[in-house]
Amino acid sequence: DTAVSQTPKYLVTQMGNDKSIKCEQNLGHDTMYWYKQDSKKFLKIMFSYNNKELIINETVPNRFSPKSPDKAHLNLHINSLELGDSAVYFCGAGRYNSPLHFGNGTRLTVT
Amino acid sequence: DAKTTQPNSMESNEEEPVHLPCNHSTISGTDYIHWYRQLPSQGPEYVIHGLTSNVNNRMASLAIAEDRKSSTLILHRATLRDAAVYYCILRDVVSNFGNEKLTFGTGTRLTIIP
Repeated sequence: DTAVSQTPKYLVTQMGNDKSIKCEQNLGHDTMYWYKQDSKKFLKIMFSYNNKELIINETVPNRFSPKSPDKAHLNLHINSLELGDSAVYFCGAGRYNSPLHFGNGTRLTVT
Repeated sequence: DAKTTQPNSMESNEEEPVHLPCNHSTISGTDYIHWYRQLPSQGPEYVIHGLTSNVNNRMASLAIAEDRKSSTLILHRATLRDAAVYYCILRDVVSNFGNEKLTFGTGTRLTIIP
């Protein structure tokens, strides 16, 4: 079983559309994350949730809205997609003083 | 955020040891040193972490300088599957819940020569 799984793996859409990326973890960890890797390969944290509560929000535009229905899921909804949103988005899960586990990413392309 | 400095790229021959350096001169006393790697088309993968003492696990060894301003990740016998970008990160815990904020730098792209 994959520890952290994301869907879809690839997402191609047009500017102005709304899309969601789903993430599920089967590790039983309390904390989940979204990271963004841009075209220059920089990985940057976007959000962190602990037990469905938002803990970290790194000045991400309001068009990005994470939703955590339970502690095993952290979905990312993006409204009014822009060209600059094109990137690879990684979901992660972890707990205190333990390694983070990442999914294999969702490559979002906005045309 | 505490910063780390790594060489942009390194090459190594297959089946030879690899030493990947990292400088972190602004490290604080409670910062842990973490190493992750990212294989092509995959998410970052944990490799090893330490605080003061050298650490060994099945993947690698971590040698930490006495003043903790630098560290070295050691792959004892590199294989082609070790070709990846290796990130040295100082762990920043931002809440009582232990939420980790891993600040990734540019990393070192390791190429393994067959």
